[in-house]
Amino acid sequence: EIVLTQSPGTLSLSPGERATLSCRASQSVSSTYLAWYQQKPGQAPRLLIYGASSRATGIPDRFSGSGSGTDFTLTISRLDPEDFAVYYCQQFGSTPLFGQGTKVEIK
Amino acid sequence: QVQLVESGGGVVQPGRSLRLSCAASGFTFSYYGMHWVRQAPGKGLEWVAAIWYDGNNKYYADSVKGRFTISRDNSKNTLYLQMNSLRAEDTAIYYCARGGYYGDWGPHDYWGQGTLVAVSS
Repeated sequence: EIVLTQSPGTLSLSPGERATLSCRASQSVSSTYLAWYQQKPGQAPRLLIYGASSRATGIPDRFSGSGSGTDFTLTISRLDPEDFAVYYCQQFGSTPLFGQGTKVEIK
Repeated sequence: QVQLVESGGGVVQPGRSLRLSCAASGFTFSYYGMHWVRQAPGKGLEWVAAIWYDGNNKYYADSVKGRFTISRDNSKNTLYLQMNSLRAEDTAIYYCARGGYYGDWGPHDYWGQGTLVAVSS
Protein backbone atom coordinates (compact mmCIF):
# COMPACT_ATOMS: atom_id res chain seq x y z
CA GLU A 1 0.00 0.00 0.00
CA ILE A 2 1.32 3.41 -1.03
CA VAL A 3 1.93 6.00 1.67
CA LEU A 4 2.34 9.70 0.85
CA THR A 5 4.47 11.67 3.29
CA GLN A 6 4.41 15.45 3.10
CA SER A 7 7.09 17.68 4.56
CA PRO A 8 7.45 19.87 6.37
CA GLY A 9 4.38 19.61 8.55
CA THR A 10 4.32 23.38 8.94
CA LEU A 11 6.08 26.05 6.90
CA SER A 12 6.38 29.52 8.44
CA LEU A 13 7.05 32.15 5.79
CA SER A 14 6.39 35.81 5.04
CA PRO A 15 4.36 37.17 2.13
CA GLY A 16 6.54 37.45 -0.94
CA GLU A 17 8.75 34.52 0.02
CA ARG A 18 9.07 31.27 -1.90
CA ALA A 19 7.41 28.13 -0.54
CA THR A 20 8.61 24.65 -1.38
CA LEU A 21 6.44 21.73 -0.28
CA SER A 22 7.45 18.10 -0.61
CA CYS A 23 5.41 14.96 -1.16
CA ARG A 24 7.24 11.64 -1.03
CA ALA A 25 5.63 8.33 -1.98
CA SER A 26 6.61 5.00 -0.46
CA GLN A 27 6.63 3.52 -3.95
CA SER A 28 6.64 4.95 -7.43
CA VAL A 29 3.54 6.89 -8.46
CA SER A 30 2.63 7.74 -12.03
CA SER A 31 2.96 11.49 -12.52
CA THR A 32 -0.33 11.35 -14.42
CA TYR A 33 -2.13 10.63 -11.16
CA LEU A 34 -0.48 13.09 -8.79
CA ALA A 35 -2.42 16.18 -7.67
CA TRP A 36 -2.12 19.02 -5.19
CA TYR A 37 -4.98 20.74 -3.34
CA GLN A 38 -5.27 23.87 -1.23
CA GLN A 39 -7.66 24.09 1.70
CA LYS A 40 -8.48 27.19 3.70
CA PRO A 41 -10.26 27.06 7.08
CA GLY A 42 -13.96 26.35 6.73
CA GLN A 43 -13.72 25.74 3.00
CA ALA A 44 -13.68 22.72 0.73
CA PRO A 45 -10.36 21.80 -0.87
CA ARG A 46 -9.50 23.34 -4.23
CA LEU A 47 -7.59 21.58 -6.98
CA LEU A 48 -4.32 23.37 -7.79
CA ILE A 49 -2.21 20.94 -9.79
CA TYR A 50 -2.89 17.66 -11.56
CA GLY A 51 -0.66 15.39 -13.59
CA ALA A 52 2.13 16.52 -11.21
CA SER A 53 2.71 19.77 -13.10
CA SER A 54 -0.45 21.00 -14.86
CA ARG A 55 -2.25 23.93 -13.26
CA ALA A 56 -6.00 23.59 -12.85
CA THR A 57 -8.32 26.15 -14.36
CA GLY A 58 -7.92 29.60 -12.83
CA ILE A 59 -4.85 28.78 -10.73
CA PRO A 60 -2.23 31.59 -10.77
CA ASP A 61 1.10 30.83 -12.35
CA ARG A 62 2.94 31.41 -9.07
CA PHE A 63 1.87 27.83 -8.30
CA SER A 64 3.93 25.14 -9.99
CA GLY A 65 4.35 21.41 -9.55
CA SER A 66 7.20 19.12 -10.44
CA GLY A 67 8.61 15.70 -9.77
CA SER A 68 8.29 12.10 -10.77
CA GLY A 69 8.54 8.61 -9.35
CA THR A 70 8.51 8.98 -5.59
CA ASP A 71 9.36 12.68 -5.14
CA PHE A 72 7.03 15.52 -5.97
CA THR A 73 7.17 19.22 -5.17
CA LEU A 74 4.70 22.08 -5.05
CA THR A 75 6.32 25.49 -5.33
CA ILE A 76 4.68 28.84 -4.67
CA SER A 77 7.06 31.35 -6.18
CA ARG A 78 5.97 34.40 -4.18
CA LEU A 79 3.49 33.93 -1.37
CA ASP A 80 0.41 36.06 -1.57
CA PRO A 81 -1.53 36.65 1.69
CA GLU A 82 -4.31 34.45 0.31
CA ASP A 83 -1.92 31.51 -0.10
CA PHE A 84 -1.63 30.79 3.62
CA ALA A 85 -3.51 27.53 3.92
CA VAL A 86 -3.06 23.77 4.16
CA TYR A 87 -1.83 21.91 1.09
CA TYR A 88 -2.39 18.24 0.33
CA CYS A 89 -0.86 15.99 -2.27
CA GLN A 90 -2.87 13.09 -3.63
CA GLN A 91 -2.35 10.15 -5.86
CA PHE A 92 -5.65 9.53 -7.61
CA GLY A 93 -4.93 6.47 -9.67
CA SER A 94 -6.43 3.20 -8.43
CA THR A 95 -7.75 3.90 -4.93
CA PRO A 96 -6.96 7.54 -4.18
CA LEU A 97 -4.83 8.55 -1.24
CA PHE A 98 -3.95 11.89 0.35
CA GLY A 99 -0.83 12.97 2.13
CA GLN A 100 -1.24 14.30 5.66
CA GLY A 101 -0.91 17.93 4.60
CA THR A 102 1.49 20.85 4.98
CA LYS A 103 0.31 24.01 6.68
CA VAL A 104 1.76 27.23 5.28
CA GLU A 105 1.46 29.87 7.98
CA ILE A 106 2.41 33.51 8.22
CA LYS A 107 5.72 34.07 9.95
CA GLN B 1 -21.37 26.50 -13.48
CA VAL B 2 -20.61 23.19 -11.79
CA GLN B 3 -22.33 22.78 -8.44
CA LEU B 4 -22.27 19.94 -5.96
CA VAL B 5 -24.57 20.19 -2.97
CA GLU B 6 -24.41 17.61 -0.18
CA SER B 7 -27.20 16.90 2.25
CA GLY B 8 -28.24 14.29 4.78
CA GLY B 9 -25.68 14.85 7.51
CA GLY B 10 -26.55 15.07 11.18
CA VAL B 11 -26.08 13.51 14.59
CA VAL B 12 -26.53 9.75 14.77
CA GLN B 13 -25.93 7.12 17.44
CA PRO B 14 -23.19 4.52 17.06
CA GLY B 15 -24.39 1.49 15.14
CA ARG B 16 -27.09 3.40 13.30
CA SER B 17 -27.34 4.32 9.62
CA LEU B 18 -27.38 7.50 7.58
CA ARG B 19 -27.63 8.26 3.87
CA LEU B 20 -25.88 11.22 2.32
CA SER B 21 -26.87 12.76 -1.00
CA CYS B 22 -24.99 14.98 -3.41
CA ALA B 23 -27.00 16.87 -6.02
CA ALA B 24 -24.98 17.76 -9.10
CA SER B 25 -25.64 20.44 -11.69
CA GLY B 26 -23.83 22.40 -14.37
CA PHE B 27 -22.24 19.41 -16.09
CA THR B 28 -23.20 16.08 -17.66
CA PHE B 29 -23.28 14.02 -14.48
CA SER B 30 -23.47 10.68 -16.27
CA TYR B 31 -20.09 11.27 -17.92
CA TYR B 32 -18.05 11.53 -14.73
CA GLY B 33 -16.85 9.36 -11.89
CA MET B 34 -17.72 10.68 -8.47
CA HIS B 35 -16.09 10.42 -5.06
CA TRP B 36 -16.75 10.89 -1.38
CA VAL B 37 -13.94 12.37 0.72
CA ARG B 38 -14.16 13.02 4.44
CA GLN B 39 -12.33 15.13 7.00
CA ALA B 40 -12.49 14.43 10.71
CA PRO B 41 -12.43 17.52 12.96
CA GLY B 42 -8.97 19.09 12.88
CA LYS B 43 -7.59 16.30 10.69
CA GLY B 44 -6.57 15.80 7.09
CA LEU B 45 -8.46 14.55 4.06
CA GLU B 46 -9.41 10.90 3.76
CA TRP B 47 -10.75 9.44 0.52
CA VAL B 48 -13.80 7.26 1.24
CA ALA B 49 -15.33 5.87 -1.94
CA ALA B 50 -15.61 6.25 -5.69
CA ILE B 51 -18.07 5.21 -8.35
CA TRP B 52 -17.58 5.07 -12.07
CA TYR B 53 -19.70 7.19 -14.45
CA ASP B 54 -22.12 4.32 -15.15
CA GLY B 55 -22.21 2.94 -11.62
CA ASN B 56 -20.64 -0.34 -12.66
CA ASN B 57 -17.39 0.06 -10.75
CA LYS B 58 -17.17 1.01 -7.10
CA TYR B 59 -14.17 1.39 -4.84
CA TYR B 60 -13.87 1.84 -1.07
CA ALA B 61 -11.31 2.73 1.54
CA ASP B 62 -10.53 -0.18 3.85
CA SER B 63 -11.87 1.84 6.79
CA VAL B 64 -15.42 1.79 5.37
CA LYS B 65 -15.49 -1.35 3.26
CA GLY B 66 -18.46 -3.55 4.13
CA ARG B 67 -20.23 -0.72 5.98
CA PHE B 68 -20.63 2.05 3.39
CA THR B 69 -22.16 1.81 -0.07
CA ILE B 70 -21.73 4.38 -2.81
CA SER B 71 -24.37 4.64 -5.53
CA ARG B 72 -25.71 7.08 -8.07
CA ASP B 73 -28.87 7.89 -9.98
CA ASN B 74 -27.89 9.44 -13.28
CA SER B 75 -31.51 10.26 -14.08
CA LYS B 76 -31.58 12.47 -10.97
CA ASN B 77 -27.99 13.74 -11.20
CA THR B 78 -27.47 12.56 -7.65
CA LEU B 79 -24.72 10.71 -5.81
CA TYR B 80 -25.36 8.79 -2.59
CA LEU B 81 -23.44 7.35 0.32
CA GLN B 82 -25.26 4.82 2.47
CA MET B 83 -23.47 4.57 5.79
CA ASN B 84 -24.30 1.63 8.07
CA SER B 85 -22.90 0.50 11.41
CA LEU B 86 -21.60 3.97 12.08
CA ARG B 87 -18.75 4.44 14.53
CA ALA B 88 -17.43 7.41 16.46
CA GLU B 89 -14.43 7.51 14.12
CA ASP B 90 -16.76 8.15 11.17
CA THR B 91 -17.44 11.62 12.57
CA ALA B 92 -16.35 14.03 9.86
CA ILE B 93 -17.34 16.49 7.21
CA TYR B 94 -18.22 14.49 4.11
CA TYR B 95 -17.51 16.06 0.74
CA CYS B 96 -18.59 14.85 -2.65
CA ALA B 97 -16.17 15.57 -5.44
CA ARG B 98 -16.13 15.10 -9.19
CA GLY B 99 -13.63 12.63 -10.56
CA GLY B 100 -12.52 11.46 -13.94
CA TYR B 101 -14.23 11.51 -17.29
CA TYR B 102 -15.85 8.22 -18.23
CA GLY B 103 -13.68 5.33 -17.04
CA ASP B 104 -10.58 7.29 -16.17
CA TRP B 105 -9.35 8.16 -12.72
CA GLY B 106 -9.21 11.92 -12.55
CA PRO B 107 -8.40 14.59 -9.99
CA HIS B 108 -11.17 16.04 -7.86
CA ASP B 109 -11.71 19.23 -9.82
CA TYR B 110 -14.99 20.26 -8.17
CA TRP B 111 -16.08 19.82 -4.57
CA GLY B 112 -19.25 20.37 -2.64
CA GLN B 113 -19.37 22.43 0.53
CA GLY B 114 -19.59 19.33 2.71
CA THR B 115 -22.08 17.90 5.18
CA LEU B 116 -21.25 17.13 8.81
CA VAL B 117 -21.83 13.67 10.23
CA ALA B 118 -21.44 13.32 13.99
CA VAL B 119 -21.63 9.86 15.52
CA SER B 120 -22.31 10.12 19.21
CA SER B 121 -24.43 8.53 21.88
